[in-house]
Amino acid sequence: QVQLVQSGAEVKKPGASVKVSCKASGYTFSNYDINWVRQATGQGLEWMGWMNPNSGNTGYAQKFQGRVTMTRNTSISTAYMELSSLRSEDTAVYYCARRTLDCSTGTCYKYFDYWGQGTLVTVSS
Amino acid sequence: AIQMTQSPSSLSASVGDRVTIPCRASQGIRNGLGWYQQKPGKAPKLLIYAASILQGGVPSRFSGSGSGTDFTLTISSLQPEDFATYYCLQDYTYPPTFGGGTKVEIK
Repeated sequence: QVQLVQSGAEVKKPGASVKVSCKASGYTFSNYDINWVRQATGQGLEWMGWMNPNSGNTGYAQKFQGRVTMTRNTSISTAYMELSSLRSEDTAVYYCARRTLDCSTGTCYKYFDYWGQGTLVTVSS
Repeated sequence: AIQMTQSPSSLSASVGDRVTIPCRASQGIRNGLGWYQQKPGKAPKLLIYAASILQGGVPSRFSGSGSGTDFTLTISSLQPEDFATYYCLQDYTYPPTFGGGTKVEIK
């Protein structure tokens, strides 16, 4: 069965960086984009960016440009999201999600069908 | 970026009620919309994609409708396990954007 398993909670000081991992299993890792979404406590969902595991191509939300880097290691089916210059407002749960592009019916649909369990990143001095 | 608006941010309902949750896009997105359910402490779960296609394994009491700018998630008969927050997500135009969510609470 498809699973995305993320790394554990992190506590970081302001100005530091954090790197969250997302290990995929149950499907061919290279065939589906991985997206990252975050959620501050009590707040809504915020899309951060995407990565194509096959090509390594990425796209980031404007808000995170220059601070976020998404990478992968295809040999271990793992995606990574690194966020630098952390501030208190970055305290949130970070999720990875698999994005399916389904064109099987002749019309293409996109959706996030599998999600990791989330990783809490706390930024505090 | 396209703005997705979900209003109200919360609603109260009873078990057995028919519940409708609206979502509006700031520009037309055809049917490029998904609905996600999130329970406290859990990751979001895909319910519906392409505005009206039920994801496999999702109960048939959930349905989606709409196209263009106005969309609706309907729960035909609310069950105890349906109390959660529901988010719409447009993925028609880059970047993908979420609505602010509607929390369905017990009346």
